[in-house]
Amino acid sequence: SAVISQKPSRDICQRGTSLTIQCQVDSQVTMMFWYRQQPGQSLTLIATANQGSEATYESGFVIDKFPISRPNLTFSTLTVSNMSPEDSSIYLCSAQGAYTEAFFGQGTRLTVV
Amino acid sequence: GQQVMQIPQYQHVQEGEDFTTYCNSSTTLSNIQWYKQRPGGHPVFLIQLVKSGEVKKQKRLTFQFGEAKKNSSLHITATQTTDVGTYFCDVSGGGNKLTFGTGTQLKVEL
Repeated sequence: SAVISQKPSRDICQRGTSLTIQCQVDSQVTMMFWYRQQPGQSLTLIATANQGSEATYESGFVIDKFPISRPNLTFSTLTVSNMSPEDSSIYLCSAQGAYTEAFFGQGTRLTVV
Repeated sequence: GQQVMQIPQYQHVQEGEDFTTYCNSSTTLSNIQWYKQRPGGHPVFLIQLVKSGEVKKQKRLTFQFGEAKKNSSLHITATQTTDVGTYFCDVSGGGNKLTFGTGTQLKVEL
């Protein structure tokens, strides 16, 4: 199993600013992903964080808005840029090895005012 | 594209009653995973099913994979308040980005 430390756990931000969320895994993992979840809804995949190369974004998400870094096999960041109230949500990172179950960070509850 | 529906969307039960959620796919699946998310928490892996018709049990939880590998069910016997949460199926095929179902939110009343 893997333990993922995600921070911050929550934040209240002014519109137009940016927030960077960090995820640290206690072991090397093959894949890391970033999700967004609205209250009471399922998880929506934002992107796959690729180690040493640009992230792979899902439809509706772009690098300028959600830049992602993954400098090594245990760490990744997601930045929510130029925030608006519509970006208020819970953001989750997950990590998994090949053909194993996924483990999730505790989530970041973001409120944009 | 692949469509994954879970039913019901919500379920309220009295403690001690049974509960079942179903996950239905429009395509044949290689495998299926189930996750539980407590209120305010993050998804936690429960089980993986791989074989056609496979049945696995974890205490009061019974997981089943359909013979055609297009659907799956999670059944909880004699629910307890600790079972409260949202149950998601994932049809990613394991080792790939998760493709979550719509989820079933379970509430258990005393």
